[in-house]
Amino acid sequence: DAGITQSPRYKITETGRQVTLMCHQTWSHSYMFWYRQDLGHGLRLIYYSAAADITDKGEVPDGYVVSRSKTENFPLTLESATRSQTSVYFCASNILAGRAEAFFGQGTRLTVV
Amino acid sequence: LAKTTQPISMDSYEGQEVNITCSHNNIATNDYITWYQQFPSQGPRFIIQGYKTKVTNEVASLFIPADRKSSTLSLPRVSLSDTAVYYCLVGDIRNFNKFYFGSGTKLNVKP
Repeated sequence: DAGITQSPRYKITETGRQVTLMCHQTWSHSYMFWYRQDLGHGLRLIYYSAAADITDKGEVPDGYVVSRSKTENFPLTLESATRSQTSVYFCASNILAGRAEAFFGQGTRLTVV
Repeated sequence: LAKTTQPISMDSYEGQEVNITCSHNNIATNDYITWYQQFPSQGPRFIIQGYKTKVTNEVASLFIPADRKSSTLSLPRVSLSDTAVYYCLVGDIRNFNKFYFGSGTKLNVKP
């Protein structure tokens, strides 16, 4: 199916464990982004990528690692999960064709216990 | 980064026109104004984008005065399904990573 998909949709993990959230897009968009959204708040940018093998930090990168070996995939890894990383994570992609139109995935709800 | 200010929440009734205003006093020359909509348990969705004057699409209209220090998203004849959070973003469209999602405006549409 065309679009941007995230997996898993829901994840419960324990403090200190490593967890990876997956993001896959089928449009070959150059730019991809990871955001987190905490209850009652807007989205905060964690990391973004302008192309394969090019990544950069956003507003709240601490505790997260990203990679982008292929254009269509942009996984987000929490190296050692903490309770403060309990959040909803959204992946997005953007072609930058003269519009600030990013396409968002359905989100991953992560709970760290 | 152009900071934006929006009302935290608004109430409306079905069939009414809703206008959500966003203030962005330090908007830069290259900045565009973009609005997103987010339903519960979903990712945000692009609604409309504009630079100046008025932009209209099948979903909404965006009004931008000459000084561009504010903008108004207009939703005609809202329905219950328009209940959502609406975000106003301001930035250079070449750098979406610079766009800042604030807390948005929670629109409650009542029957």
